Amino acid sequence: EAGVAQSPRYKIIEKRQSVAFWCNPISGHATLYWYQQILGQGPKLLIQFQNNGVVDDSQLPKDRFSAERLKGVDSTLKIQPAKLEDSAVYLCASSLGSVIGETQYFGPGTRLLVL
Amino acid sequence: GNSVTQMEGPVTLSEEAFLTINCTYTATGYPSLFWYVQYPGEGLQLLLKATKADDKGSNKGFEATYRKETTSFHLEKGSVQVSDSAVYFCALSDRSSGDKLTFGTGTRLAVRP
Repeated sequence: EAGVAQSPRYKIIEKRQSVAFWCNPISGHATLYWYQQILGQGPKLLIQFQNNGVVDDSQLPKDRFSAERLKGVDSTLKIQPAKLEDSAVYLCASSLGSVIGETQYFGPGTRLLVL
Repeated sequence: GNSVTQMEGPVTLSEEAFLTINCTYTATGYPSLFWYVQYPGEGLQLLLKATKADDKGSNKGFEATYRKETTSFHLEKGSVQVSDSAVYFCALSDRSSGDKLTFGTGTRLAVRP
């Protein structure tokens, strides 16, 4: 079974530029998550999709971050404009989304450095 | 809200030593509890989980027991190996918060030969 795919793996940009990350979840997984992991901290949820609808985006800085999940499969996360404090690893995860305590499967992450 | 507190790292042990990484939680609902591991240069992987009180999760010689009375889920291994060097994250999810994972800050483990 193929895992969660993410690209790019690394990105370096200057502040005020824009950047986009892509995620392809495990086939058949209805729920998709984007987490932000700042160095030395645990991952923090940015947004959760169930199929192509948003379940939770309460922690997403909506003035600069946006995300979509077209057709309930792939997802993109965009930052525009980027700030220095956005430097982090952006993790995508997916799950079947049907039972309590279900395992979330994580991709390798995209490491973003904002200069 | 939900929160997870785990012991500060780094933890440095010699090979074959006993490992304990403490984890306690606060949850508004009835959570499921997880330990994830992040090996150098790799993504997060589920190590073990428990979904109800007194359940014991186990995998690769690691184990943790869901203790509702002490709101804890401590990770243990009887004899660590160099290959266990990684960052370990305790996490919880509960249905009342949409099954999102709330993570602790992570504990880095270094095992010396």
